[in-house]
Amino acid sequence: EADIYQTPRYLVIGTGKKITLECSQTMGHDKMYWYQQDPGMELHLIHYSYGVNSTEKGDLSSESTVSRIRTEHFPLTLESARPSHTSQYLCASRSPGTVTDTQYFGPGTRLTVL
Amino acid sequence: KQEVTQIPAALSVPEGENLVLNCSFTDSAIYNLQWFRQDPGKGLTSLLLIQSSQREQTSGRLNASLDKSSGRSTLYIAASQPGDSATYLCAVRKDRDDKIIFGKGTRLHILP
Repeated sequence: EADIYQTPRYLVIGTGKKITLECSQTMGHDKMYWYQQDPGMELHLIHYSYGVNSTEKGDLSSESTVSRIRTEHFPLTLESARPSHTSQYLCASRSPGTVTDTQYFGPGTRLTVL
Repeated sequence: KQEVTQIPAALSVPEGENLVLNCSFTDSAIYNLQWFRQDPGKGLTSLLLIQSSQREQTSGRLNASLDKSSGRSTLYIAASQPGDSATYLCAVRKDRDDKIIFGKGTRLHILP
């Protein structure tokens, strides 16, 4: 079983609040990813990191920001939440070059902005 | 640009039947292909990963095949059970360091 954690699992907040979604993995993976998924829709990559101090924007434009100060930690921040940010956010990690080369996903954070 | 298509979008079958989910991709130059399962409101669980040099992978009642030249993969589920009800996602990676591209998934419902 993958050791990748996301907190909180559910979050309901008001418009304008600053929020940080946490993602941690204990597998020592260099590569980490954030995806956004609306109900019943496909996953969209919004941020990724190839290691400490490395962050890149994904395919879907997002008003969120990320940081990667430690290998195991990849938090996502929204400075001022809006109803349009309501979605599920999924964090993932991967270690290419291993035998399995599998991308592991966390359980997700379901965000609702009122 | 790589595009991944999954057919059908939704499928309902009686318990006990064998079934096949289809995935096609437009660029056959891939590094690997992965099948995931997603339960409602949850994250993704990796089911099978096929490297570009492989033709198939098996895990329990699941068998995934890969035909790179034709840009196709299938996920075969034998003796389906109600617990198999979920959305199944196909994803391809072009290079070792490249991003994964997902299909939209097939929503599977196994009728008891």
